[in-house]
Amino acid sequence: DADVTQTPRNRITKTGKRIMLECSQTKGHDRMYWYRQDPGLGLRLIYYSFDVKDINKGEISDGYSVSRQAQAKFSLSLESAIPNQTALYFCATSLGLNQPQHFGDGTRLSIL
Amino acid sequence: AQSVTQLDSHVSVSEGTPVLLRCNYSSSYSPSLFWYVQHPNKGLQLLLKYTSAATLVKGINGFEAEFKKSETSFHLTKPSAHMSDAAEYFCVVSDLENNNDMRFGAGTRLTVKP
Repeated sequence: DADVTQTPRNRITKTGKRIMLECSQTKGHDRMYWYRQDPGLGLRLIYYSFDVKDINKGEISDGYSVSRQAQAKFSLSLESAIPNQTALYFCATSLGLNQPQHFGDGTRLSIL
Repeated sequence: AQSVTQLDSHVSVSEGTPVLLRCNYSSSYSPSLFWYVQHPNKGLQLLLKYTSAATLVKGINGFEAEFKKSETSFHLTKPSAHMSDAAEYFCVVSDLENNNDMRFGAGTRLTVKP
């Protein structure tokens, strides 16, 4: 089983819909992250969480919200999806400062 | 603010020839630097990391990178490319300035020709 699991793997939806992407991990890491990947831009940080009670905005948080339901679960929501949120979304975890991040296999989201 | 620039968006090599993927970084502090690889439909996998120990860092699958502070570079190399090395590669910097957020380069797509 994968250490970092993202669901769904693919999603197509319409403008204005509410979308939730889920991430669960079995690595026991406190730190969790959500990124989006766009061609030619690398990965950009949306939100991150250092523990269940700690949520922080990243570089591009507008239009997104998150929920850390437990140490192992971190969800990303798009309250009202728009086409420029079409991207590949990654969840990651890490053990601590300056430690490598461990990535899920991504969710490909298309908003029509 | 910290940042990385990957100097080539696409690199093409023949199987068995050396690989060089270039990365320059900008950081006000002592940075940590990473290289990740992404195969199609997969998440990113760590190749190697530099965290102020030895300047020549060896990673998985025969890759290595050298931290050169005077040149603010952290180029990734491999002596002999294999077909399975074809993927997207990301250089990443992390430092205290941004609470150790990771900043990703735009990526370099490596193509390996038979």
